[in-house]
Amino acid sequence: NAGVTQTPKFQVLKTGQSMTLQCAQDMNHEYMSWYRQDPGMGLRLIHYSVGAGITDQGEVPNGYNVSRSTTEDFPLRLLSAAPSQTSVYFCASSTDISAYNSPLHFGNGTRLTVT
Amino acid sequence: GDSVTQMEGPVTLSEEAFLTINCTYTATGYPSLFWYVQYPGEGLQLLLKATKADDKGSNKGFEATYRKETTSFHLEKGSVQVSDSAVYFCALRVFSNSGGYQKVTFGIGTKLQVIP
Repeated sequence: NAGVTQTPKFQVLKTGQSMTLQCAQDMNHEYMSWYRQDPGMGLRLIHYSVGAGITDQGEVPNGYNVSRSTTEDFPLRLLSAAPSQTSVYFCASSTDISAYNSPLHFGNGTRLTVT
Repeated sequence: GDSVTQMEGPVTLSEEAFLTINCTYTATGYPSLFWYVQYPGEGLQLLLKATKADDKGSNKGFEATYRKETTSFHLEKGSVQVSDSAVYFCALRVFSNSGGYQKVTFGIGTKLQVIP
C-alpha cells in the first residue's frame, strides 16, 4: 500500500520558472490538501480539495494553483516561482470530510529551492 | 479562529528521562485532537489522537489526555529513547454542525533531541 506519493523529492528553480508538484494517493480518500512547512511557522495550508472537481483556498494560496480531476491526484502548480516559495511542501489526505476525527496521511515531502 | 500553541524547542533530554510537551488550544467548535510525529526527512505521521473530553490517546509509550477544562492535550512519555528524536506536532480538527470542511490546525512543532 503506497499511501500518499509525492514527486519530485527535491527541486531547484530559478525565479520566474513554473513547475508542478505531483501528489497521488491510493486510499480512495476524498479529502486532499497541500501544506508548506517553514522554520518557526509550522505547517500552513495552501489549498485543499474535498472531492474530484472541488478545490478551495487555505491560509497561503497566493502564487499556487491546484486542480482535482480525479480522486487520486492533486497536483500543485507554481505559476512563477519566487524565493519566498522556498520551502518543504507536503501533500496530505484523509477520509471523507464528515469524519472529523480521521487523521491526515502525509507524503514524504518535496523540498523546493527557488534561487 | 482555531489555534494551537506549543513550544518550538529544541527540548533536549537524556535517554530514559521523562518527557512532557505542552499543547494548548483554542477552538470555535468541538475539536478532535492529534499528535503527529515527523522523523528527519519524512512526512508527518499520526502518533495518537483523542476525540472527546477525558479521552486518553496512547501509542508507542506516548500518552496524551484531552482536557477540555484547561483546553490542553499535553504529550508525555515515561522513558524516552534516542529513536524518539523527532519533531512533534499538536493539531486539532473541529466538527462543524453545518457539515462541510473541517480544517486541521497545527502547532509550530516541538523538536525533541534525546542524547545517549
